[in-house]
Amino acid sequence: DAGVIQSPRHEVTEMGQEVTLRCKPISGHNSLFWYRQTMMRGLELLIYFNNNVPIDDSGMPEDRFSAKMPNASFSTLKIQPSEPRDSAVYFCASISGTGGDYGYTFGSGTRLTVV
Amino acid sequence: AQRVTQPEKLLSVFKGAPVELKCNYSYSGSPELFWYVQYSRQRLQLLLRHISRESIKGFTADLNKGETSFHLKKPFAQEEDSAMYYCALSPLSSGSARQLTFGSGTQLTVLP
Repeated sequence: DAGVIQSPRHEVTEMGQEVTLRCKPISGHNSLFWYRQTMMRGLELLIYFNNNVPIDDSGMPEDRFSAKMPNASFSTLKIQPSEPRDSAVYFCASISGTGGDYGYTFGSGTRLTVV
Repeated sequence: AQRVTQPEKLLSVFKGAPVELKCNYSYSGSPELFWYVQYSRQRLQLLLRHISRESIKGFTADLNKGETSFHLKKPFAQEEDSAMYYCALSPLSSGSARQLTFGSGTQLTVLP
C-alpha cells in the first residue's frame, strides 16, 4: 500500500483564489481526518469522516473552508476564497478503527502558501 | 473534553544525554495515549502507544494515571532523534472513529 496520498505537495496561490487539497486514504480505512499544522497552533483537527460521512466539522475555521468525501477512496478540502492566514501545512490521516492497531497513518501533507 | 499539554515548545540536549519530553493530559474517561514524531518536513509517524508498552528507537513512555502524564524518555539521545514530537490522546472506546487530540508539540534538538 502506498499509504495516505495527498496532492499537491506544495501550493502557492494568491489571496482570493480557490484552493483544493486532495487526499486518498489507505484502502480499507473507514475514517479520514483533516488536520492543519502551524507554528503558532500546532496540529488542529479540522474535520473528520467516518464511512464517508462528516462526523465533526467543529474545527473548520469558517465558512470559507469545506470538505467532502464522495467515496471511500477520495476526499477534498477546499478553501474559497483563500487568505494569507490560511498558509499552513494541511495533513490528511486515515485509520481503520476496526480492531488491532488504532494508530493513524498520515499523508505527507500539502504546504499551502497564500500570498 | 480532552486536552493534551506539552509544556516545552523547545528542548535541547547533548548527544548521549538522557532526554524526557513531558506530556500531561486531561480526560474524564479512559484514554489511549500516543507519541508521534515528525522529522524535518516529513509526515507524522507513530512512535509508540501506551497500550503496546513497546520501546521504539530506544524511546519509552509510561502512562501515569495518577499524575495524568505520559512522558517520553530515552536514556541516551542521538543526533538523529532531532525532530518534532507530538503527544496525542484518543478515547479508549469501541465504535465510531477515534478522534486524536494532539498537544502543541516539542521540538527536540540533539546537539553534537
